[in-house]
Amino acid sequence: AQTVTQSQPEMSVQEAETVTLSCTYDTSESDYYLFWYKQPPSRQMILVIRQEAYKQQNATENRFSVNFQKAAKSFSLKISDSQLGDAAMYFCAYRSDLPGANSKLTFGKGITLSVRP
Amino acid sequence: DTEVTQTPKHLVMGMTNKKSLKCEQHMGHRAMYWYKQKAKKPPELMFVYSYEKLSINESVPSRFSPECPNSSLLNLHLHALQPEDSALYLCASSQGPARSSAGELFFGEGSRLTVL
Repeated sequence: AQTVTQSQPEMSVQEAETVTLSCTYDTSESDYYLFWYKQPPSRQMILVIRQEAYKQQNATENRFSVNFQKAAKSFSLKISDSQLGDAAMYFCAYRSDLPGANSKLTFGKGITLSVRP
Repeated sequence: DTEVTQTPKHLVMGMTNKKSLKCEQHMGHRAMYWYKQKAKKPPELMFVYSYEKLSINESVPSRFSPECPNSSLLNLHLHALQPEDSALYLCASSQGPARSSAGELFFGEGSRLTVL
């Protein structure tokens, strides 16, 4: 079974600074997706960024980028130029892409990010 | 339209009531999900429908009964719930099962359920 580990329950960052959120995962599969989802207090789960395992290039979306280390099974999220609106709970998630695999998304425990003005 | 719409946003019910949560998407997605989320915890998968058929039931108690009337709609019927069932219930959709989709799940805003 796949597992996703987010070992830091909370982090804080100064507005305009950069912060990195850690995530590791365990799987024996070769084809999969990795995601970072953001859940603000308004509660809707919003996709921040996705990474296909077969792609060596790290995904980027504006101020958000990942450091995907497939051999180390590590998938960290870097938020640059942090903004007050980035304050939220962030979940790292895994989804298999193998034929016949079920569709479930496996989440880490999440990390609460606060942004100091 | 990239939305998953859930109603109601808030629901308070007694342990003897019967109620339903509704979810709708018009993105042409063929997989739909129900998740349960407690405060400060990750979502827990309850059910997955793939092409309108129940494909995953994560050993959810029978007081929760899912229904997928068509490819755009997903319901969760609630009956004889317990106070510990109070939680945020999230609906999500994706293009399809693994290998036929772009991977990500799109989530609704959730229905906050309180069982008295």
